[in-house]
Amino acid sequence: QVQLKESGPGLVQPSQTLSLTCTVSGFSLTSYHVSWVRQPPGKGLEWMGVIWTGGSTAYNSLLKSRLSISRDTSKSQVFLKMNSLQTEDTATYYCARWDGYWGQGVMVTVSS
Amino acid sequence: DVVMTQTPVSLPVSLGGQASISCRSSQSLVHSNGNTYLHWYLQKPGQSPQLLIYRVSNRFSGVPDRFSGSGSGTDFTLKISRVEPEDLGDYYCLQSTHFPNTFGAGTKLELK
Repeated sequence: QVQLKESGPGLVQPSQTLSLTCTVSGFSLTSYHVSWVRQPPGKGLEWMGVIWTGGSTAYNSLLKSRLSISRDTSKSQVFLKMNSLQTEDTATYYCARWDGYWGQGVMVTVSS
Repeated sequence: DVVMTQTPVSLPVSLGGQASISCRSSQSLVHSNGNTYLHWYLQKPGQSPQLLIYRVSNRFSGVPDRFSGSGSGTDFTLKISRVEPEDLGDYYCLQSTHFPNTFGAGTKLELK
């Protein structure tokens, strides 16, 4: 059974770094790529980046300077790190497989 | 970046009626491998997006045949016939042919 589950802090202070983990089960990260998507409250979906089966990555150009995606295949985990957070980064963050599987999302608020 | 223009923003419908949502891309979504990576999602309040249609016209597992997708190149349509209460929510198109992947801004399907 394919599952993805995001975890991380619910509150981050401005200018700090966000660290999120996507723990997957039911499939191997070497067989399927995983994307990160975020959604500010009441707004639409924004693709952030992807880590492919071989471990290479691609990022949204608007976030590229602040964003890093990595993984630990032995732990079936994908990591998102984004620095210099601002209030406009407040959003629900999802990890997803494009063939139909999404995590439940984790709400992150950027506030002092 | 590929801009996905999704219309309408809001779509009032009657139960049992039909709905049609358009998504137009700023460039062709035909990949060099010949496939067209245009997908449709439904997001219900408080839930993660759920895949309805992948690669233009293929229904995801468990999606009723009331949902149909069509189109080619830069012009795509999602049709919902015999609208049921569980169809209400926010619909998004997503292109994953080009990087960065991009979503449409969304269409809210609501009761008339």
